[in-house]
Amino acid sequence: KAGVTQTPRYLIKTRGQQVTLSCSPISGHRSVSWYQQTPGQGLQFLFEYFSETQRNKGNFPGRFSGRQFSNSRSEMNVSTLELGDSALYLCASSLSGLAAGELFFGEGSRLTVL
Amino acid sequence: DQQVKQNSPSLSVQEGRISILNCDYTNSMFDYFLWYKKYPAEGPTFLISISSIKDKNEDGRFTVFLNKSAKHLSLHIVPSQPGDSAVYFCAASARGAGSYQLTFGKGTKLSVIP
Repeated sequence: KAGVTQTPRYLIKTRGQQVTLSCSPISGHRSVSWYQQTPGQGLQFLFEYFSETQRNKGNFPGRFSGRQFSNSRSEMNVSTLELGDSALYLCASSLSGLAAGELFFGEGSRLTVL
Repeated sequence: DQQVKQNSPSLSVQEGRISILNCDYTNSMFDYFLWYKKYPAEGPTFLISISSIKDKNEDGRFTVFLNKSAKHLSLHIVPSQPGDSAVYFCAASARGAGSYQLTFGKGTKLSVIP
């Protein structure tokens, strides 16, 4: 069974640009969550989607947004990039959310903002 | 305000001995706790979890202990193996409150010395 797939794995952007990251969950999983990992802050929750609806949102500015498609694939977008947005962005999927068990993480998309 | 704290950034243990990783939390609403292991360039992988109705959960070499009154949990690895060298993240969720997000600690880097 294929795991969680994130694309692209690495990307470099400049300040002010925008970026879109993609996540394909494990087949049959309907919940997709996004996390930001930085050396100083660890893993921080961005948002969670289930059946194309955002159920939870973390404490990030409105520049961070996401969506989920009918096939459960998800994208997150960051607009007007800042240097501090440089991080590893991790996507995780589960059958129906945390209540159903643990999350399965992808390998992440490493974003560098210059 | 950090709700999940892992106060030891790193830990070194001899192969065959016990590794004890600690985690403290402040949010009384947390009722589900998990440990994840992360190797470089990979996403976190689920290790073990515990619900707040239990005080111990065991899975092979891994045991998690929960002390609700002290708001403290620990992960014991016995015996430690070189392949256990990784960053370990403690995570918590308020599942009973319908939360779909995990709050992570900043991680502890475990080095198992052969």
